[in-house]
Amino acid sequence: RKEVEQDPGPFNVPEGATVAFNCTYSNSASQSFFWYRQDCRKEPKLLMSVYSSGNEDGRFTAQLNRASQYISLLIRDSKLSDSATYLCVVTNSGYALNFGKGTSLLVTP
Amino acid sequence: DAGVIQSPRHEVTEMGQEVTLRCKPISGHDYLFWYRQTMMRGLELLIYFNNNVPIDDSGMPEDRFSAKMPNASFSTLKIQPSEPRDSAVYFCASSLQGRYGYTFGSGTRLTVV
Repeated sequence: RKEVEQDPGPFNVPEGATVAFNCTYSNSASQSFFWYRQDCRKEPKLLMSVYSSGNEDGRFTAQLNRASQYISLLIRDSKLSDSATYLCVVTNSGYALNFGKGTSLLVTP
Repeated sequence: DAGVIQSPRHEVTEMGQEVTLRCKPISGHDYLFWYRQTMMRGLELLIYFNNNVPIDDSGMPEDRFSAKMPNASFSTLKIQPSEPRDSAVYFCASSLQGRYGYTFGSGTRLTVV
């Protein structure tokens, strides 16, 4: 079983819709949490960090629930350019990133 | 800043051949990571270095894989001999203090036939 689990999707949503992705992690000692975005045939890029208090960056909101070992990403007012794969990432005691396999999002006109 | 530079971008080789992937991290970054991405397994950590010293190589699949970092500005990942199941995209990433702003290179797409 992979340490970080995500629904692979794909999520097909119309422009302007709100979409939410979820992620669970198995190591209760995980320390840092992130969402990365990966476009087709490109490298992963940091979208945002995730904090226990929840954090927002424009149309994007990330939440962390340590008790349930659950991370979420909410995208409001979806744009065509949001189409990508969203990777849930955690770090443990070391500095290496542990990636989920990603959730695919397709925003349609 | 040129970012993390990987070469080659694409590599097609025959089974049994040696393959060497190269990475130049961002200047000043003290951590360097090698990842492999496949459809089946997603992104997997192979090995990472801190100040040119290998810290964790538990993700290296087997003895056919080796990685070196002779200096702060260069690292190699070598596969010898290569096998078709090694076909994947290999990413190098670097970071400062291992915490913030991991930056990935564009990757090397390896095909072993």
